[in-house]
Amino acid sequence: ETGVTQTPRHLVMGMTNKKSLKCEQHLGHNAMYWYKQSAKKPLELMFVYNFKEQTENNSVPSRFSPECPNSSHLFLHLHTLQPEDSALYLCASSQGQGWNYGYTFGSGTRLTVV
Amino acid sequence: DAKTTQPNSMESNEEEPVHLPCNHSTISGTDYIHWYRQLPSQGPEYVIHGLTSNVNNRMASLAIAEDRKSSTLILHRATLRDAAVYYCILPHYGGATNKLIFGTGTLLAVQP
Repeated sequence: ETGVTQTPRHLVMGMTNKKSLKCEQHLGHNAMYWYKQSAKKPLELMFVYNFKEQTENNSVPSRFSPECPNSSHLFLHLHTLQPEDSALYLCASSQGQGWNYGYTFGSGTRLTVV
Repeated sequence: DAKTTQPNSMESNEEEPVHLPCNHSTISGTDYIHWYRQLPSQGPEYVIHGLTSNVNNRMASLAIAEDRKSSTLILHRATLRDAAVYYCILPHYGGATNKLIFGTGTLLAVQP
């Protein structure tokens, strides 16, 4: 366990389904992040939250909707996804936005869209 | 933003030291150098970071060139569990957000 917990670990969903990914950290970190990792590709940053406020949306399609109710929890709501959205979705947190802080990643949710 | 260049892949033998290079010739004076690794089917894991001086921790050592245009991650005795993709990352500044942008990294294979 890294201190960042993601659930579920695996998810299979149809293109018309609605599902949510959950990320939780109790490290006292103030910044949280969603990344997407498609097969054979580098991690792509999707969203950044700092003190519950979204500070970055990296041109992510609206079928991905993030929610950050507090500094410990981050959700990614999914609806009407496409097969090309199948990927490993990773959550990370950091103490702050300065560069003397490392990121702690969760183990990810492996999403398959059918 | 400064970019990094790493070899696509490297091989090592178990129990031997591994030196993973990274070039960052456009680094600025305040850029930290971060290293992460990603084991198969897992999220990335923080390894080490530094600014100017060499850094050591329980996982690895980071040797930073005097001109800061390159750095080397040193695994002192490679084990099979060190087989992973290793990422050398400089910060990306954009708007209100500082963030880590990952490249393709170096795939390290460790032979028994």
